[in-house]
Amino acid sequence: AQSVTQLDSQVPVFEEAPVELRCNYSSSVSVYLFWYVQYPNQGLQLLLKYLSGSTLVKGINGFEAEFNKSQTSFHLRKPSVHISDTAEYFCAVSSNTGNQFYFGTGTSLTVIP
Amino acid sequence: GAVVSQHPSWVICKSGTSVKIECRSLDFQATTMFWYRQFPKQSLMLMATSNEGSKATYEQGVEKDKFLINHASLTLSTLTVTSAHPEDSSFYICSAKDTGNFNYGYTFGSGTRLTVV
Repeated sequence: AQSVTQLDSQVPVFEEAPVELRCNYSSSVSVYLFWYVQYPNQGLQLLLKYLSGSTLVKGINGFEAEFNKSQTSFHLRKPSVHISDTAEYFCAVSSNTGNQFYFGTGTSLTVIP
Repeated sequence: GAVVSQHPSWVICKSGTSVKIECRSLDFQATTMFWYRQFPKQSLMLMATSNEGSKATYEQGVEKDKFLINHASLTLSTLTVTSAHPEDSSFYICSAKDTGNFNYGYTFGSGTRLTVV
């Protein structure tokens, strides 16, 4: 089975500052990793995903994440945040068979003007 | 890109009644769909995995007789909350995996806000 830990439940950051949202996973098999964003009362939107290949993954809205197998991490970063980035962010893991898919507890990102 | 339509987006029902939520993959076939439940300020909890043409696989602690899942076609899965009670009020989200193209990953519906009064 797989599991995901998001170390920070809330992250406040000033506008135009950089941000890193942390995600660690555990699994006994190869995994796929995802970051999703959720705005209030909406579904989830895929930001980026790591399936294989380059460990640095670029996604939408200027976000990127780096897969680190040795540290079992998949941290999300953005060099300069905007007010519109205020949302809930979820890290998720799936086995490479795609039969199980689990979310972390989420990180609430608040961008301060 | 892959699109999943979830309907209704919100519903209010009386205690004791049943509510059906639909999840459709609009432009791809999905042999597997997933149903999640989300309480306020919390993460998504996987409830069950819906498999086309076979019985759903429920996560531990989820009552299969209360949360009926039907996956009758490659583009439609339904979740029926039977004899709903106020504690069933929650945000329910479905997702689907494009069987033919995993490059899209998992696509989520926009969610259904269920309020039982």
